Amino acid sequence: QKEVEQDPGPLSVPEGAIVSLNCTYSNSAFQYFMWYRQYSRKGPELLMYTYSSGNKEDGRFTAQVDKSSKYISLFIRDSQPSDSATYLCAFDQGGKLIFGQGTELSVKP
Amino acid sequence: GAVVSQHPSWVICKSGTSVKIECRSLDFQATTMFWYRQFPKQSLMLMATSNEGSKATYEQGVEKDKFLINHASLTLSTLTVTSAHPEDSSFYICSASVTHRGNEQFFGPGTRLTVL
Repeated sequence: QKEVEQDPGPLSVPEGAIVSLNCTYSNSAFQYFMWYRQYSRKGPELLMYTYSSGNKEDGRFTAQVDKSSKYISLFIRDSQPSDSATYLCAFDQGGKLIFGQGTELSVKP
Repeated sequence: GAVVSQHPSWVICKSGTSVKIECRSLDFQATTMFWYRQFPKQSLMLMATSNEGSKATYEQGVEKDKFLINHASLTLSTLTVTSAHPEDSSFYICSASVTHRGNEQFFGPGTRLTVL
């Protein structure tokens, strides 16, 4: 079993749609949960960072963590074409980051 | 703030040659720098972790003699791919972290290496 599972997509949605991106993990020791956005041929940029179960909201983005189910989600409201990118979940393991495969998202105008 | 640069952004080299990639933290001093490799449509895989002035710690399966890492200062780390082969062609990304910023890593823009 992989330590982190993330559907690679691609996921295509119309502009304005609500997008749901998900990751499951198997390591109970993961303490910090992150979502990164990576545009093509660029380095990843941090979108959301949380360490507890529950929801965290930042503008159009909401990160959700369910430690009991080992499941994290990222919701994007009112999606825009500029949101088209690959979204990677990441987990902190003693200072090292373990990344999911990334989900490729395309938002069509 | 927290900008990380990489140079070059892309490089093409012949098989058997060595390539050096630089990673710089431009507006902060990084206590730790990380090097990742990313193949197309795949995730970032950590290659090694380096702290200024000490030897890098390599992940399992990464050849330390092939991927030489030097972390000479708090703002500069270099990755040298020695005797590069076509299978080393990949996207190499560095990141930097600062102790007082917790575990947040700031990523560089990446370097695309193509070995002919």
